[in-house]
Amino acid sequence: DTAVSQTPKYLVTQMGNDKSIKCEQNLGHDTMYWYKQDSKKFLKIMFSYNNKELIINETVPNRFSPKSPDKAHLNLHINSLELGDSAVYFCASSQNRASEQYFGPGTRLTVT
Amino acid sequence: QQQVKQSPQSLIVQKGGISIINCAYENTAFDYFPWYQQFPGKGPALLIAIRPDVSEKKEGRFTISFNKSAKQFSLHIMDSQPGDSATYFCAAATSGSRLTFGEGTQLTVNP
Repeated sequence: DTAVSQTPKYLVTQMGNDKSIKCEQNLGHDTMYWYKQDSKKFLKIMFSYNNKELIINETVPNRFSPKSPDKAHLNLHINSLELGDSAVYFCASSQNRASEQYFGPGTRLTVT
Repeated sequence: QQQVKQSPQSLIVQKGGISIINCAYENTAFDYFPWYQQFPGKGPALLIAIRPDVSEKKEGRFTISFNKSAKQFSLHIMDSQPGDSATYFCAAATSGSRLTFGEGTQLTVNP
C-alpha cells in the first residue's frame, strides 16, 4: 500500500508542451504539497493545500497551476514547458500543517 | 535567502565510524527541526526530528544535537553502515509553516 503516489514517474517532453503530474495520498491527511528538487538536489516548496484550500504559493511562474479536486489528490499542471523546468517534482502530505511530511517517489521531468 | 545552511556538502566515512552533519539557521522563530534521508530515485523520508525544548534526541544509531543559543543543530550517525549511504537533508519550520530545507549532504559509507 503506497502512502503517497505520483504518476508518471518519468516524463520526457518538448519545450512548449503542457503536461500534468498527479498525486494521491491514502493516509487521510489534510495537507498536501508540491516540491521541486533541482539538479543539485536542492528541495524547494512550490505549493501547499490544506483541505483543498491553497495556503502556500511560493514565487513560482504562473505556468504552474496546482489543482486539488479533493483532500486526497493534488495535481500539478505545467503550461508552456521550458528547459529550466527539468527537475524532480515531489508530492508530499501531512496530517496537518504542523506535522511531519510524507513524500511521494517523485516525478522526473525532462524538457528537451 | 538561504535560511538553513548545511555542511558538509559531501562526506565519506568508513564502516563503523561516526558521521556528523551540521546545520545552522537564522530564523529564531523556527521551532521544528527534522532530518530527512533520501536514497537515489526515492522521495525524502523523515529520519528523526527535534523541537527546541530539548538539547538532544536519540533514536537508535541516529542522534540530533541542538544548540539553541548558537542556532545550530547536527545529526550524528553512530556505527555508520554502507546502507546509510544516502543524501541527508536538515530542515526547519515554525509551527504550521513551510519546511525550509538545507542544501543536502551526500553521505558515502565505505565497507
